[in-house]
Amino acid sequence: QQPVQSPQAVILREGEDAVINCSSSKALYSVHWYRQKHGEAPVFLMILLKGGEQKGHEKISASFNEKKQQSSLYLTASQLSYSGTYFCGPPPGGFKTIFGAGTRLFVKA
Amino acid sequence: GAVVSQHPSWVICKSGTSVKIECRSLDFQATTMFWYRQFPKQSLMLMATSNEGSKATYEQGVEKDKFLINHASLTLSTLTVTSAHPEDSSFYICSVRPSRTDTQYFGPGTRLTVL
Repeated sequence: QQPVQSPQAVILREGEDAVINCSSSKALYSVHWYRQKHGEAPVFLMILLKGGEQKGHEKISASFNEKKQQSSLYLTASQLSYSGTYFCGPPPGGFKTIFGAGTRLFVKA
Repeated sequence: GAVVSQHPSWVICKSGTSVKIECRSLDFQATTMFWYRQFPKQSLMLMATSNEGSKATYEQGVEKDKFLINHASLTLSTLTVTSAHPEDSSFYICSVRPSRTDTQYFGPGTRLTVL
């Protein structure tokens, strides 16, 4: 089952906040978040392992709910460099690793 | 940060030929590498997990005889697309997961176009 990401796309002005959600029909062992800029390879952002976990770096943080079926990525005071497509997914290598369809984020000046 | 290189960056080949893509971990030894494929405007698709010194583990639905993976050293994994056809045209990306971490470092990707 593919994790469901929402919204599919979002447009922000520089300095605004955004939340990207990732929901799974079954509990995930962990959730991984990636960002991919247009025409480039993805970049690994972070991993959350434990239910109820929250973690972040600078203005990007994420949470993982207690049931480990939903994760949210929080982008605070967005910058132009945050533009790209954000993917969530389970840990790779599980025989049937399926990533979310992605959320396209566009930050404008 | 860790650096992962891929070669070539892009390749155009004729239908029926085989193409080899290299993924090198420049900063550290990598016992585990991953190979992904991505079609335009689509999500990432994991093809296989490449383990140094052992056979690759392929994801469901990926033809192991068509996508040959060799991980003969701790710094190099190769993906060979055999008898490539136009439907194999895609963006192929490798990533490296250092030992005892969950972090992945991605290569810049290889764009394959099969005519």
